[in-house]
Amino acid sequence: AQSVTQPDIHITVSEGASLELRCNYSYGATPYLFWYVQSPGQGLQLLLKYFSGDTLVQGIKGFEAEFKRSQSSFNLRKPSVHWSDAAEYFCAVLPASGTYKYIFGTGTRLKVLA
Amino acid sequence: DGGITQSPKYLFRKEGQNVTLSCEQNLNHDAMYWYRQDPGQGLRLIYYSQIVNDFQKGDIAEGYSVSREKKESFPLTVTSAQKNPTAFYLCASRNRDYTEAFFGQGTRLTVV
Repeated sequence: AQSVTQPDIHITVSEGASLELRCNYSYGATPYLFWYVQSPGQGLQLLLKYFSGDTLVQGIKGFEAEFKRSQSSFNLRKPSVHWSDAAEYFCAVLPASGTYKYIFGTGTRLKVLA
Repeated sequence: DGGITQSPKYLFRKEGQNVTLSCEQNLNHDAMYWYRQDPGQGLRLIYYSQIVNDFQKGDIAEGYSVSREKKESFPLTVTSAQKNPTAFYLCASRNRDYTEAFFGQGTRLTVV
């Protein structure tokens, strides 16, 4: 079955430290890949997306993600975390076979220490 | 500004009552979705619609119903058959070109 795994439920980093959030997917072909961010009680905002081409994609708010086909991974990174980055982060895939169904991971909650 | 509007933001329902959550979009998107979010479970798909007058069940459709009479609107009814309806509900829409889904701000439903 198609699935998305975010192995880290919670991550705590200090402000100014680097960040990497992990995402692995299970699917036969390379799907479309997304990272979303959610502040408490709010909707989801797209950070970045990958469809094809360059495997390192840049997003908003200084985030980037790298697609690694061999590892079926799409990890999110940020070189220096700001206190305002504290939120929940969701990885999602959309199979490239014509389906309209997104599959979301269970999320990683990020806490930033001052 | 284009976007997705969900209303109300907070909703309280007595057990045994049906309640309808509103979702309106002015992005001219064809596809619309309803997700349920519970702590630690991510987003689970309830229903989705690719075009007007057509919709499909998602992974947790039991106890929910939808309609898609207009392109702009995709209301979700939580019926009394839904055993545990207290949750955060998110509506989303997407255009044809397989780009990202846009989300509303959510409705928090509490059964009292």
